[in-house]
Amino acid sequence: DAGITQSPRHKVTETGTPVTLRCHQTENHRYMYWYRQDPGHGLRLIHYSYGVKDTDKGEVSDGYSVSRSKTEDFLLTLESATSSQTSVYFCAISVRQGGMIEQYFGPGTRLTVT
Amino acid sequence: TQLLEQSPQFLSIQEGENLTVYCNSSSVFSSLQWYRQEPGEGPVLLVTVVTGGEVKKLKRLTFQFGDARKDSSLHITAAQPGDTGLYLCAGHNTDKLIFGTGTRLQVFP
Repeated sequence: DAGITQSPRHKVTETGTPVTLRCHQTENHRYMYWYRQDPGHGLRLIHYSYGVKDTDKGEVSDGYSVSRSKTEDFLLTLESATSSQTSVYFCAISVRQGGMIEQYFGPGTRLTVT
Repeated sequence: TQLLEQSPQFLSIQEGENLTVYCNSSSVFSSLQWYRQEPGEGPVLLVTVVTGGEVKKLKRLTFQFGDARKDSSLHITAAQPGDTGLYLCAGHNTDKLIFGTGTRLQVFP
């Protein structure tokens, strides 16, 4: 257990509204990631962070922004939610073990955009 | 763009059968990992393979990394209902992981 929590766990929102998902970790890990998971696509990286205020885009970053003002919190914001952003969102941290990275995931947030 | 294709996408088998899941890419990865995900939870790391040709065993699960470090396989011997889940491979790319498309396994008693 890497001490990762996500909130909310479930959310239903309407098209065009802003939505913020929160990822919280308790073990001071430097790297944090946001993924979305959709059938047939595995996990796709949205954004990641390598330190406070240091973030970078992943492969599916359009329509999403992130912020990391504290080590323990990584926020994902959907500026104006669309139905295509209905998905399950996972936060992860990574740990370096002998030159390799191992990722540990939160429980996920199921987001439905109507 | 680096892609990892897994096959088969779905697999339904009876308890006691053997199975193999494949993870293929045209890109070389420095290491490759396998995760298992159960419904309503995040993926959990099973194993990391690093060296081309490497074979690792985890009880009834055998993982192999291709010689060219572009592909991997997961073999399960005598599958059990507890093996049911989504299996994901992931290739290591600098500070990120590239995940495969996933194989959903259902093992019936």
